[in-house]
This record gives sequence, C-alpha cells and structure tokens, in this order.
Amino acid sequence: NAGVTQTPKFRILKIGQSMTLQCTQDMNHNYMYWYRQDPGMGLKLIYYSVGAGITDKGEVPNGYNVSRSTTEDFPLRLELAAPSQTSVYFCASSYGGGGEQFFGPGTRLTVL
Amino acid sequence: QKEVEQNSGPLSVPEGAIASLNCTYSDRVSQSFFWYRQYSGKSPELIMSIYSNGDKEDGRFTAQLNKASQYVSLLIRDSQPSDSATYLCAVNRRAAGNKLTFGGGTRVLVKP
Repeated sequence: NAGVTQTPKFRILKIGQSMTLQCTQDMNHNYMYWYRQDPGMGLKLIYYSVGAGITDKGEVPNGYNVSRSTTEDFPLRLELAAPSQTSVYFCASSYGGGGEQFFGPGTRLTVL
Repeated sequence: QKEVEQNSGPLSVPEGAIASLNCTYSDRVSQSFFWYRQYSGKSPELIMSIYSNGDKEDGRFTAQLNKASQYVSLLIRDSQPSDSATYLCAVNRRAAGNKLTFGGGTRVLVKP
C-alpha cells in the first residue's frame, strides 16, 4: 500500500513552458486535492475532486488545470509557467469530504 | 480575520517540557479539526484529529477543543528534539464546502 505518490520530485521550468504533475493514490479514496505551499506559509488549495469526472476550483486555481478520469489519478497541469508558480505542490486524498487527508511527498517546482 | 489562525513561532521549548500550540478559527459551524506535523522539506503528516469538545490524548500528544471559544490546541508532553517541526492546524469549514482550511503553522524548536 503506497498511499499517495507524486512525480516528479523536483522540476525546473522555463517561463512559458508547460508540465503535468502526476498524483496517484491506492487507498480507493473518493476525494483528491492539490495544494501549493510557498516558503514559510500554509497550504493553499488549488483544485479538488470528489470523484472520477468531477473537479472544482479551490482558493488559487489560476494558471492550473486538472482532470480526474479514474479514482486513482489526479494530474495537475501547468500551462505557460510563471515565476509566481514556483512552489512546493502537494497532492492529498481523503475518503470523505472534510475528513482526514493523506499527503503525497510533494513536487518542488522552480520556474526561471 | 483569517479563517484559521496560528502563531507562526518559533516556539522554543526545552527538552522534556510541555509545548503548547494554539489555533483559532472563524467558522462557528466547523465540525472536524486536525493537527499535522511537517518536518522541513517533507509533507504534512496527520498526528491528531478531534471532533467533540474536550481533550483527546494519543501518546505524548493531547488535542483540546473548545467550540464555544472557537479554538483548538495541541499539547506535546515530554518534548523531544525529534518533535522540532512545523505544526499545522486544519479545520473542516462548512462555509468552504466541507473542505479543510489550513493555518499557517507554528514552528516548534525543542532544545536539548
């Protein structure tokens, strides 16, 4: 049981490039989330999903897109990367909404 | 007023002493409360959850919830250097669509 896995661990992008951050969970959780965490700050919700085919915006969705075609996978797409997107990105999952969330190891992204 | 507020610290505690962390929240109808521990460069790890008023103990950790005063606290007894980390308070806010809102975290330093 791997829990929540994320790839890649680190990535450097140039301004204007695009990339997809991968997230997979094997706990059969319905809910999945993407957060970003800037240095010394708390977690800000980017997007979340309550099940396959259903996604919704969080607090800071601009510049990102998501899809949820299966229960296990919840990729986050960055289009036209900007320096303001330099951050650590965490994927999380939970069985129900508002319940305990379990986090992946994170992706450290730098946009130069 | 922030939805979930924590003192950023650092909270410096001698080894063996009690560390006391506080968290206040604004949404009066919040139902679920969580404490996460985050080591530097790592992902948040759930250490406590609490749902009803009063105390909940788990090993050296005690969570205290007072819904009337809208605060939740975490006590770490017999603090160890390995407890040095940032502790994030998370609140399930009905006003946020039953999603978790995280505080900015309190950094704890346990000195030998």
